[in-house]
Amino acid sequence: DQQVKQNSPSLSVQEGRISILNCDYTNSMFDYFLWYKKYPAEGPTFLISISSIKDKNEDGRFTVFLNKSAKHLSLHIVPSQPGDSAVYFCAANMNRDDKIIFGKGTRLHILP
Amino acid sequence: DAMVIQNPRYQVTQFGKPVTLSCSQTLNHNVMYWYQQKSSQAPKLLFHYYDKDFNNEADTPDNFQSRRPNTSFCFLDIRSPGLGDAAMYLCATSRDPTKGGWEQFFGPGTRLTVL
Repeated sequence: DQQVKQNSPSLSVQEGRISILNCDYTNSMFDYFLWYKKYPAEGPTFLISISSIKDKNEDGRFTVFLNKSAKHLSLHIVPSQPGDSAVYFCAANMNRDDKIIFGKGTRLHILP
Repeated sequence: DAMVIQNPRYQVTQFGKPVTLSCSQTLNHNVMYWYQQKSSQAPKLLFHYYDKDFNNEADTPDNFQSRRPNTSFCFLDIRSPGLGDAAMYLCATSRDPTKGGWEQFFGPGTRLTVL
């Protein structure tokens, strides 16, 4: 039973436009959320996170929005650049546990 | 640069032949994790060490074992690899999660092929 769901396996976006990656979760006990980016033949790298006490966190071109009532978060990348082409994993944590739960990932293609 | 190192990057073994994957870290992090990731799937946590305390996931097969001889090193032993164990194996570390260290730092992974 997947607790963190990324329902879009892939997404294509024109360079310069906004990329929006979505993530849904089922466990209302999750209180911390992370996004990771993964290039081929490399391990995932941390991108941005958000605590459940916030509804938005911004870091440069990356913004994560959290809608607790809908159990939904999204990652916005604007403007999208060719180097953003990668697989993006959504992940969640609860109660300062030492484990995080990953989604299956969304492959983002930035088109020239 | 502080980092998480995995060796080898690619490992080929035969069905049933034991194999060991290694991970080392220069971050001095408390927690080390081993994940299995198959194509188009989420990384699946196998087990993790919080300092010397070993935490096994309930659905991790007995075929998978781990050792952490010191803070810097952690090993994944697959005693009798089956064809279904072919996957990318990712090692990760984090600081003390009870003090806000939820971010995990990943190594590049070891891709295991079972013939």
